[in-house]
Parts: sequence; C-alpha cells; structure tokens
Amino acid sequence: AQKITQTQPGMFVQEKEAVTLDCTYDTSDQSYGLFWYKQPSSGEMIFLIYQGSYDEQNATEGRYSLNFQKARKSANLVISASQLGDSAMYFCAMREGRYNFNKFYFGSGTKLNVKP
Amino acid sequence: NAGVTQTPKFQVLKTGQSMTLQCAQDMNHNSMYWYRQDPGMGLRLIYYSASEGTTDKGEVPNGYNVSRLNKREFSLRLESAAPSQTSVYFCASAPQGAGGNYGYTFGSGTRLTVV
Repeated sequence: AQKITQTQPGMFVQEKEAVTLDCTYDTSDQSYGLFWYKQPSSGEMIFLIYQGSYDEQNATEGRYSLNFQKARKSANLVISASQLGDSAMYFCAMREGRYNFNKFYFGSGTKLNVKP
Repeated sequence: NAGVTQTPKFQVLKTGQSMTLQCAQDMNHNSMYWYRQDPGMGLRLIYYSASEGTTDKGEVPNGYNVSRLNKREFSLRLESAAPSQTSVYFCASAPQGAGGNYGYTFGSGTRLTVV
C-alpha cells in the first residue's frame, strides 16, 4: 500500500486565490511527522511546513497552513493568496516514528500552476 | 552557505560507464541519504547512512553502491550505468535522533542521463 497518496497530478489556481493540495497517508505508528516540500522548476527541494502527529493545532507558516485531520489520515496543504512564484511541484512526505529517518516516504507530487 | 552540496549538477553517461556522485554537508548532521526522482513516482530511497561508518539499502538499491567517507561526505557510485538509471538524484541529510520538526535538507540535485 502507498504510504503517501497525492491524488492531484496537476492543479490550476488564479493568482491571489487560495488553493488546497491533497495528501493522505497510511501508517500504524502513533508517532509520525508530516512534511510538505516545494520543488520549483530550478529543481531544489524546499521545506515548507511540518505537522507532528501529537500536535493538536494545525501548523502554519506564513501563507502555508496544514489542514491535519488525524482520523481521516489527511494532511492537506493550504496556500492562501497564491502568487505566481508558487507555481511548482509540491510533495507531501511522512516520517514514521520519532527517530526513524530511514522511514521517510514521499508522495508522487502535485504540480501547481498559478495563473495571472 | 551552509547546506548540502552535490556534484556534478549534470552528467551524461554511456551505457556501461561508471561514475560517482559526490555529496557533502556542513551542518554536522549524522544521517545522510541518496534518493532518485523519476516522473510520476516522487522520491525513492536508494541508500542511507544513519551515522558515520554505517550504510543500509533503501527501496531501490540495485545497481548502486555508496560510501560514507566521513561525517560530512556520502558518495553514490554507479558501477555500470544503465538507461534505467536516468533520473534526478538528490542527496539529503538530517540530524539523526532529533525527532520533531527535523526533515531533510536537500542538495540541489544531479540530473543524470544514460544513453
């Protein structure tokens, strides 16, 4: 079974609007971490936001927020007020366990295009 | 700038040739990783090194070898390149055992084409 599922290969959003990128995960661990990375066309991987499995509040980092629904095993990324520079691939990832760095799984990504 | 440095950025190989991808980090991280990225498949773990002196296979290790030269450096070697190894390769590092908000720091990637 896939550990991380991103069901939206591509998304379009109008500049200044909000957009939600979907991510569901599969784990039986009680302790895990969820991450979102951005990959612009230049190719580097940029860390955006983190949510721990025990965190009760949804994580926020500037215009990024993570909509964490633990019972549904979803960790959607919300980008508010989209900008042209947000056009990129976005990857959801999960680390199982608190210290298991070899159990770090990535989804297949969502390509976001922001239209002017 | 502190971070993870990969070389080369681009490489074209002929089938059967060998090469080594270099990776170095200056963040004093214990664990280092090699991933490959293929279209529609996200990132897949090739090999990792949880700490200096140890290496282990990941999800897709066939056709690759690694060396953890010291705490800073972790190299990936293709002994006999095949077209199926055409991919973008990422090196990453992380502070092992820290837990919490410690994801990976990635290098800028190596785009490898095997013809």
